[in-house]
Amino acid sequence: DAGVIQSPRHEVTEMGQEVTLRCKPISGHDYLFWYRQTMMRGLELLIYFNNNVPIDDSGMPEDRFSAKMPNASFSTLKIQPSEPRDSAVYFCASSFGGEDQPQHFGDGTRLSIL
Amino acid sequence: GENVEQHPSTLSVQEGDSAVIKCTYSDSASNYFPWYKQELGKRPQLIIDIRSNVGEKKDQRIAVTLNKTAKHFSLHITETQPEDSAVYFCAATPGFQKLVFGTGTRLLVSP
Repeated sequence: DAGVIQSPRHEVTEMGQEVTLRCKPISGHDYLFWYRQTMMRGLELLIYFNNNVPIDDSGMPEDRFSAKMPNASFSTLKIQPSEPRDSAVYFCASSFGGEDQPQHFGDGTRLSIL
Repeated sequence: GENVEQHPSTLSVQEGDSAVIKCTYSDSASNYFPWYKQELGKRPQLIIDIRSNVGEKKDQRIAVTLNKTAKHFSLHITETQPEDSAVYFCAATPGFQKLVFGTGTRLLVSP
């Protein structure tokens, strides 16, 4: 099993540019999560999907952030326009259904907005 | 909503000593409590979890205890080794598949 695959691993871009982060969940998992990790706020859940449908986006910081899951094997998190305060590590995780199913994390995307 | 508090924020021990990290949660509906280990620059990795119908679980040098009445759970690492050095996160699931994480404990094991 290849695990959760995220790309790119690192992204450096200038303020105002559009940023797109990508995630491929573990095959068979029907839940997909996007997290943001910063020193100040720790690990925050941004949004999660069940069977490709967004279930809870209450953690999305503002309208500049959007996420999609067009099929069971692909999701994107987009920031437009990006700002320096968006700099963080963004993790994608996936799991089987059920409240006690462990979430498996990808290696993350380290995003720096200059 | 669920709030998870984690202590201590940093913990330094000598190799071979035991380490204990404690978490409290607020939502009595939470019924699943995983622990993740994150090494520098790496992803969080699940190391052990416990469900609400169990009071204790062990896996080699790692154990987790849960007190649902008091709403707290703890991670115990025995015979610590330098490779145990990392940040450890507790989490609780208040339902609907969501995980709420604690703020993390930086564990340093000195040789």
